[in-house]
Amino acid sequence: DVKVTQSSRYLVKRTGEKVFLECVQDMDHENMFWYRQDPGLGLRLIYFSYDVKMKEKGDIPEGYSVSREKKERFSLILESASTNQTSMYLCASSFLNDGVEAFFGQGTRLTVV
Amino acid sequence: TQLLEQSPQFLSIQEGENLTVYCNSSSVFSSLQWYRQEPGEGPVLLVTVVTGGEVKKLKRLTFQFGDARKDSSLHITAAQPGDTGLYLCAGKGYNFNKFYFGSGTKLNVKP
Repeated sequence: DVKVTQSSRYLVKRTGEKVFLECVQDMDHENMFWYRQDPGLGLRLIYFSYDVKMKEKGDIPEGYSVSREKKERFSLILESASTNQTSMYLCASSFLNDGVEAFFGQGTRLTVV
Repeated sequence: TQLLEQSPQFLSIQEGENLTVYCNSSSVFSSLQWYRQEPGEGPVLLVTVVTGGEVKKLKRLTFQFGDARKDSSLHITAAQPGDTGLYLCAGKGYNFNKFYFGSGTKLNVKP
């Protein structure tokens, strides 16, 4: 079974803190994605990566950065957390060429106070 | 604006009823996926449809991909409380390895 694991289920951080969300997949997938999910807005793509050290902006990259130093790991960084970044964060992965499906982690519920 | 529009947004029905959820777009997709998400969890893949006109069945769930590969439907027969959840459709574009998600249909099946 494909396994995508996010490091935390719940996080509470203070405004202005630097926040790291970690995601690891064990299926040798080339693609990895970070989404945020908010009621009424669906899943919105923040960043994705199709290879080590490669990254592409999604639809809402402002206030975020990412790091992909190893194929299996994709990190989302909030440089200076703000209350409007309170959300459910979802990591996903897929194969590059035959990747008709994305597989998701269990999600991280981040609250910024 | 969403690339994929799902309808209805909310659905509350009694156990045993049938229902259909729609996923529509003006764009063409190479494949389309349906996911179910429980509260506080990540989406779990239910099915992928790849060929225009394709119909797939998963027990009481029937998925159809439109002939033009722009839309899809999910039909549930004799809904059960265990079907309760958020149903998401996602389309994969041709040009890049991105998945475009609908905003979801929140289904509540009452016993």
